[in-house]
Amino acid sequence: EDQVTQSPEALRLQEGESSSLNCSYTVSGLRGLFWYRQDPGKGPEFLFTLYSAGEEKEKERLKATLTKKESFLHITAPKPEDSATYLCAVQAQSGAGSYQLTFGKGTKLSVIP
Amino acid sequence: DSGVTQTPKHLITATGQRVTLRCSPRSGDLSVYWYQQSLDQGLQFLIQYYNGEERAKGNILERFSAQQFPDLHSELNLSSLELGDSALYFCASSVGRGSEAFFGQGTRLTVV
Repeated sequence: EDQVTQSPEALRLQEGESSSLNCSYTVSGLRGLFWYRQDPGKGPEFLFTLYSAGEEKEKERLKATLTKKESFLHITAPKPEDSATYLCAVQAQSGAGSYQLTFGKGTKLSVIP
Repeated sequence: DSGVTQTPKHLITATGQRVTLRCSPRSGDLSVYWYQQSLDQGLQFLIQYYNGEERAKGNILERFSAQQFPDLHSELNLSSLELGDSALYFCASSVGRGSEAFFGQGTRLTVV
C-alpha cells in the first residue's frame, strides 16, 4: 500500500526565515510526486510535479526536490501570503490505467510578519 | 481559478437522505477524480473515471456511487447519509490518465 508521511505537521516561521518541509513516501513504483498548496476551505492548488530522483523545480520562493525516498519543499524568505497547508502526493505506476493520488496529511505553514 | 467547477458549494441535509454532487472538469480534460477530505483523514481517493469509464476505486463506500456522462461532467451520489459522511468533497480533473490533476473548490457536506 502506498504511504506518504509529511513532517512537521505544523510550522511557524518569521517572515524571511527560510525552512524546508519533508515528504517521505513508500510506493510500488513511483510515477510522479506532486506538491499542492491548500488554503482553508479551498481546493488544493497544483504547484509541482517531480518524476525522478535528482529532479528539482522552482516557483517564486518555493523549490521542490526529489530523492528515491523523500521530497523536500524549500521555502526561501517566506512571506505571510505563503501561509497555507502544503500537501504532498504520490502517483504509482499502474498497468490498470488508474492514476489516483495518495496524499499525505499536510504541513500547515504559518508565516508571521 | 482551476477551471474545475463543483456545485453546490455547500449542502446541509439530514441523516438517511440522498444527495448528488456535480463536477464539470476543465475543458479538454478526460479524467475525473473524486476525493473526500475530513479533518482526521486528510484527502482520501474515492473513484476515478476516464472518458466515461470507471478506472479505479479507492475507499468508496457501497452507499456512494458516481458516473461520468458523455459531456464528461461527473456526479457523485451519496445515499443513506450518516453523520460521519460530513466532509469536503473534491473533484479533480486531468487531461490524461497520468498528468497533474487540478481541483475544484469543493462541496462542503454537512449531515445533521
